[in-house]
Amino acid sequence: GAVVSQHPSWVICKSGTSVKIECRSLDFQATTMFWYRQFPKQSLMLMATSNEGSKATYEQGVEKDKFLINHASLTLSTLTVTSAHPEDSSFYICSARTGGGGNQPQHFGDGTRLSIL
Amino acid sequence: QKEVEQNSGPLSVPEGAIASLNCTYSDRGSQSFFWYRQYSGKSPELIMFIYSNGDKEDGRFTAQLNKASQYVSLLIRDSQPSDSATYLCAVRRLHSGGSNYKLTFGKGTLLTVNP
Repeated sequence: GAVVSQHPSWVICKSGTSVKIECRSLDFQATTMFWYRQFPKQSLMLMATSNEGSKATYEQGVEKDKFLINHASLTLSTLTVTSAHPEDSSFYICSARTGGGGNQPQHFGDGTRLSIL
Repeated sequence: QKEVEQNSGPLSVPEGAIASLNCTYSDRGSQSFFWYRQYSGKSPELIMFIYSNGDKEDGRFTAQLNKASQYVSLLIRDSQPSDSATYLCAVRRLHSGGSNYKLTFGKGTLLTVNP
């Protein structure tokens, strides 16, 4: 159980393109979803926390107009990287948690490797 | 001081040995603690979580938590080459100013199990 599906797994596109990444919880309802970014040999850095039906909470230094997050349902959240540039190239990973409370584990999607040329 | 600290390694152990991975955290308000395994190029995979002081065992894995010392560890018994990966320690606390819980990751320890 607790499967999180992320799509696409790889994206290669030109600078200036906007890219949308989808994150779905397949067998549970995810009240809260999280978006992380990971650069090579670095740890996961939380970008934003997304609650179903409300605006995402962005971490300091993450531009909300650059990284648009929509959590329209209990099973789907999307991250759109707008006008992507080479420095946005990274491994983007979504995560979802079942229910509320601090002790519920987060389950991760398989990640999206984004390469901007 | 970093919020979550781990030795970056690499930690190298022979097959069949016990691998010991350590993690310290700075926020005493942290409530729950997670160990994830991440293979190269893949996303993290949950191994265990613990939120009470003491030990928690699951198969070959044992998580140990000492809140007074702000220390959490993961022991892997009978290490196998397939255990070779980066192990991420993650600590959850209430997000400041909100009601969401925030998971903060350490940089991870690279474990290599030699056949």
